[in-house]
Parts: sequence; structure tokens; C-alpha cells
Amino acid sequence: GAVVSQHPSWVICKSGTSVKIECRSLDFQATTMFWYRQFPKQSLMLMATSNEGSKATYEQGVEKDKFLINHASLTLSTLTVTSAHPEDSSFYICSAPDTALDEKLFFGSGTQLSVL
Amino acid sequence: AQTVTQSQPEMSVQEAETVTLSCTYDTSESDYYLFWYKQPPSRQMILVIRQEAYKQQNATENRFSVNFQKAAKSFSLKISDSQLGDAAMYFCAYVADKLTFGTGTRLAVRP
Repeated sequence: GAVVSQHPSWVICKSGTSVKIECRSLDFQATTMFWYRQFPKQSLMLMATSNEGSKATYEQGVEKDKFLINHASLTLSTLTVTSAHPEDSSFYICSAPDTALDEKLFFGSGTQLSVL
Repeated sequence: AQTVTQSQPEMSVQEAETVTLSCTYDTSESDYYLFWYKQPPSRQMILVIRQEAYKQQNATENRFSVNFQKAAKSFSLKISDSQLGDAAMYFCAYVADKLTFGTGTRLAVRP
């Protein structure tokens, strides 16, 4: 099946710094990718929809200036957490639909962000 | 607003037995998809089964099957012949325009 690669899987950073997370569709093109956030023992919450060649669509309550999303190619979307704070510590997951597989959604392996 | 409710935070099943996980959803849409995802301790999201709302026939995937009741907005997952590897968090999810997850059910499998 299709593969979505997410990198890094784990990152620790100091408060105030920025962190970039990459999400790649390895064997299919994705005009749309989704970014989620998952707190411990909770469900996945959609943060934003990444659109190739255009601006991302953010869910209500998600700060677009803090969580910068770029979808510069059909296989890569990036999420940058700017000026990270300890409350941004969370598990971030991306996903992408494969149109050749009837929009079946494939998930990356996730990134655990810890902000000190 | 679309909501997905999983009323069972935790479930337990004996190995080789059958267990059913419940899910209800609320929507005004007529065309949508429903999913069950498994999230093991690795936290990788794994698609278990998918159901198109326009299909009356319940989806099945090997030991996994669903009971889709569109009028009741119910979408339960049945796991037959439970295996130790089935232990995980299970999320019910709905999508019309965006994917919405339920709160999850943690399934334990007793050897």
C-alpha cells in the first residue's frame, strides 16, 4: 500500500525555538494533506488541511501564525511550530489520501514534540 | 457540527473470543464514509475497515466486520477470534468533508 513518511519521529527543543516536521507521500502524489495533534490518551484533533500550491485551511482555534504549514510540492507538506512553548508539546501526525486508492487515507508515523 | 461518540473508554476480551466496539455519530450529510482505525503502542494509525454510507452491505475484512445502521447513525466494530495483537486503541472516524475522530476505546486482550 501507499506510504507516508513523517520526520522526525521525536524532537526535543528549547522554548522559543522553531521546529519543522516533514510529511512525505513516498509513492503517490497528494494535493491535500492533513495535520493532527494528539494529546496523551486522547483522540486525534485535526489542526489544518494542507493544500498544494495554496494556503492551508486551519481549524477553529488553531493559530496559523504559530503553526506554519507549507505544501510546496505534490509529495511534501511541512508543519513548523514557531516560537515553541511547553504547552505545544504533543504528538503530531500527518495523513494524506491516495486518489488512486479511492481516497484511502494513509498516516505518517507521527512526531513526538517535547518543548523544554 | 459532526460528532463521533465512542461510549466505551475501555474494553476487554478473552483471546479467541468476540468483542464489539460501539460508535455513534451525528451528521446531516447523506453521503459520507465511516472508518475504524487501530492505534497500537507504536502510535501508528492503521486502517482496520471502511464503510461507504451509500452501501447497505456491511463491510468485512477478515476477522473484522461492522454493523452499520444508517438510520440510527450507528457503526459498531466486531472483532472475531480476538488475538493478542489486536490490543490497541480503536478510533471510530467519520468523514464528509474532513475527518473527525471519536474519543477512542482501549481494547485489552486477555491470554
